[in-house]
Amino acid sequence: AQSVTQLDSQVPVFEEAPVELRCNYSSSVSVYLFWYVQYPNQGLQLLLKYLSGSTLVKGINGFEAEFNKSQTSFHLRKPSVHISDTAEYFCAVWDSSYKLIFGSGTRLLVRP
Amino acid sequence: NAGVTQTPKFQVLKTGQSMTLQCAQDMNHEYMSWYRQDPGMGLRLIHYSVGAGITDQGEVPNGYNVSRSTTEDFPLRLLSAAPSQTSVYFCASTPGGALLNYGYTFGSGTRLTVV
Repeated sequence: AQSVTQLDSQVPVFEEAPVELRCNYSSSVSVYLFWYVQYPNQGLQLLLKYLSGSTLVKGINGFEAEFNKSQTSFHLRKPSVHISDTAEYFCAVWDSSYKLIFGSGTRLLVRP
Repeated sequence: NAGVTQTPKFQVLKTGQSMTLQCAQDMNHEYMSWYRQDPGMGLRLIHYSVGAGITDQGEVPNGYNVSRSTTEDFPLRLLSAAPSQTSVYFCASTPGGALLNYGYTFGSGTRLTVV
């Protein structure tokens, strides 16, 4: 079965600093990966996805992620974070035509 | 605004009570799903539907029922609420066969507390 592991439950960072949120997946077959963001008291929004092609995927709000097959990773990065990036971030893997498997989430806390 | 609408936003139930969480989408999406979100556990699939009249169980279906009489609506019923069902519930939808391309569109959630 597909699964994803988010290694950090919380990541504190100062405003304008770079950040990396880690995600590892377990699959030996074709894999399709997503990052979602959840702002406080809201639903989840799609940040970016990797289906095929370039291993560097750019998403909304200046985020990007790199698919690394040898490391089975799909880490999310942003070169300079803002207070407004404070949110919970979920990595997810496509499991079937109707189902995504989500990681446990990483809470990004941006401090002034 | 187009999207997935969930009601209510907050609910407190007593153990043993029943209730229905409502979910409606106006995007003509075939696929709809219910997830629950618990701290440290991410989102887990409860039930899903690939079209009107078709539903199936996800990872954690016990204690919940669903039906899909129309494309737009996908209500989740708690038969006899238990404290273990305290959670945030999300409804999500996607065009049929297009989860890879579009991902899910999520509602804003229902925060349920069972006392």
